[in-house]
Amino acid sequence: EAGVAQSPRYKIIEKRQSVAFWCNPISGHATLYWYQQILGQGPKLLIQFQNNGVVDDSQLPKDRFSAERLKGVDSTLKIQPAKLEDSAVYLCASSLQGGTGELFFGEGSRLTVL
Amino acid sequence: SQKIEQNSEALNIQEGKTATLTCNYTNYSPAYLQWYRQDPGRGPVFLLLIRENEKEKRKERLKVTFDTTLKQSLFHITASQPADSATYLCALGYSSASKIIFGSGTRLSIRP
Repeated sequence: EAGVAQSPRYKIIEKRQSVAFWCNPISGHATLYWYQQILGQGPKLLIQFQNNGVVDDSQLPKDRFSAERLKGVDSTLKIQPAKLEDSAVYLCASSLQGGTGELFFGEGSRLTVL
Repeated sequence: SQKIEQNSEALNIQEGKTATLTCNYTNYSPAYLQWYRQDPGRGPVFLLLIRENEKEKRKERLKVTFDTTLKQSLFHITASQPADSATYLCALGYSSASKIIFGSGTRLSIRP
């Protein structure tokens, strides 16, 4: 069974530029999560989707971050404009059951903002 | 807001000994608690889940306990091996549709 796919693995941009990350969850997983992990810290939830709908986006900086999940499958996370403090690894995860189900994570997309 | 505390210092253990990692939380108890392993440059990998009505869960050399009175979970690795060296994250969930909140993780090193 294929795992969660993310791209790109690495991205370096200047501040105020924009960037987009893509995630393809495990087939059949209804719930999709985007987490931000700053070096030395645990993952912080940015947004949670259940199929096409947003379940939680309370910690998403909506003035610069946006995310969508078209057709309840793939998802894209965008940052525009980027700030220095956005440098982090962006992890995508999916789960079959949602809530109590285990999360399956991708390898992450490492963003460096200069 | 909910806070999750894990050992901030790295844990160094001699091979063969039991490693014990701590996860403490404040405020209200979660409906369940999960433990993940994360290797450098990789995404977290799920290890175990324990629900609020369970005291203990085991899986091979791993054991997790959950004490809602102390607001604490302990994660044990028995007969530790250098291959167990990684960062271990605890994560709390509060309902079937709620978000899952992660702690900052504990880095574990097993020396031969």
